[in-house]
Amino acid sequence: EDQVTQSPEALRLQEGESSSLNCSYTVSGLRGLFWYRQDPGKGPEFLFTLYSAGEEKEKERLKATLTKKESFLHITAPKPEDSATYLCAVQAPGQAGTALIFGKGTTLSVSS
Amino acid sequence: EADIYQTPRYLVIGTGKKITLECSQTMGHDKMYWYQQDPGMELHLIHYSYGVNSTEKGDLSSESTVSRIRTEHFPLTLESARPSHTSQYLCASSEAAEAFFGQGTRLTVV
Repeated sequence: EDQVTQSPEALRLQEGESSSLNCSYTVSGLRGLFWYRQDPGKGPEFLFTLYSAGEEKEKERLKATLTKKESFLHITAPKPEDSATYLCAVQAPGQAGTALIFGKGTTLSVSS
Repeated sequence: EADIYQTPRYLVIGTGKKITLECSQTMGHDKMYWYQQDPGMELHLIHYSYGVNSTEKGDLSSESTVSRIRTEHFPLTLESARPSHTSQYLCASSEAAEAFFGQGTRLTVV
């Protein structure tokens, strides 16, 4: 069964304290791995797509990496405005081959 | 910025009422989806569509129904709302790989 597991569930950082979020996945035939940011009461906002092991993508203080079993979202020198829930999702062949399978997310809190 | 809109944003309704959650996108995407999200839980796919007159049920069993008469419009209907339907409903659309989401409808059935 295709599955996505994110850790930790919650992470508290001081402003400027870099860290990483983990997304491990079990899927037959990965078509893509996606990172989203979700603010309270809002829909997920697309951040990155990764397709193959070794691929990296960057956007401002965020950098996403992919291996054959997991992905990391590295946050460098975070600011309070980076506080949000970060969702990882995979796309795999199946009944709804273009739909996404999501993890439960990591809720990040950055204090000044 | 993605152009996908959901109305209403919040809805409180009594048990037994019929409701329709609206979702529209202006990007011309063929693929559209409805996800359900409970607090602290992952998004679960409840319906999807690959184009006009195409609708399928997702992995999570749902008593709701959908229709796709126009490319840009993908409404979700509950014929008789129950408290167990209380949740956040998220609509999304995609052309290639990335899915773009609306702001969601927070439904409370009392």
